[in-house]
Amino acid sequence: GQSLEQPSEVTAVEGAIVQINCTYQTSGFYGLSWYQQHDGGAPTFLSYNALDGLEETGRFSSFLSRSDSYGYLLLQELQMKDSASYFCAVYEGGKLIFGQGTELSVKP
Amino acid sequence: DVKVTQSSRYLVKRTGEKVFLECVQDMDHENMFWYRQDPGLGLRLIYFSYDVKMKEKGDIPEGYSVSREKKERFSLILESASTNQTSMYLCASSFEAGEKLFFGSGTQLSVL
Repeated sequence: GQSLEQPSEVTAVEGAIVQINCTYQTSGFYGLSWYQQHDGGAPTFLSYNALDGLEETGRFSSFLSRSDSYGYLLLQELQMKDSASYFCAVYEGGKLIFGQGTELSVKP
Repeated sequence: DVKVTQSSRYLVKRTGEKVFLECVQDMDHENMFWYRQDPGLGLRLIYFSYDVKMKEKGDIPEGYSVSREKKERFSLILESASTNQTSMYLCASSFEAGEKLFFGSGTQLSVL
């Protein structure tokens, strides 16, 4: 089976940097993805890491360490619009399995 | 841009009814998925399909079935709706299995 652990809630202030961690246990691993979901909206793809290291896309970066079964999403220069839920997901057995999500609240 | 369209945004049904949730994608994607989302539980995979007429069970298939007669359309069927199937249902598609998923806007189903 598989399981993913991520914090349920994170709070930060505008302009700050926040890191959302994700640890996973899977029987076979191909990659770690991150999705963003605003209230009432559909999840949207943010990033995908198949190899160890850091992937940067604008203000967002995602990191993967396969040996530690660990990854994180780093959000820089936080903006109010970044308030949303963030899900990590692992690809295993032909399907994408999601964590329970981290609700990020950005305060002024 | 990829478009994944779910037929209804809100749906109210009675216990015991047969319910069809329809999903259509316009990018010729091979892979399609049905998830349900409940507060505190994240997204849980119900069924997925890698090709026409092909289906695979996800993590919570009990009480559901699916149909994929055409590549662009993936239907979720609740044979006899129950109150514990009240949830947000999300359809998704992807070109490569496990990679970037494109989601529909979801169907909020209430079973009374």
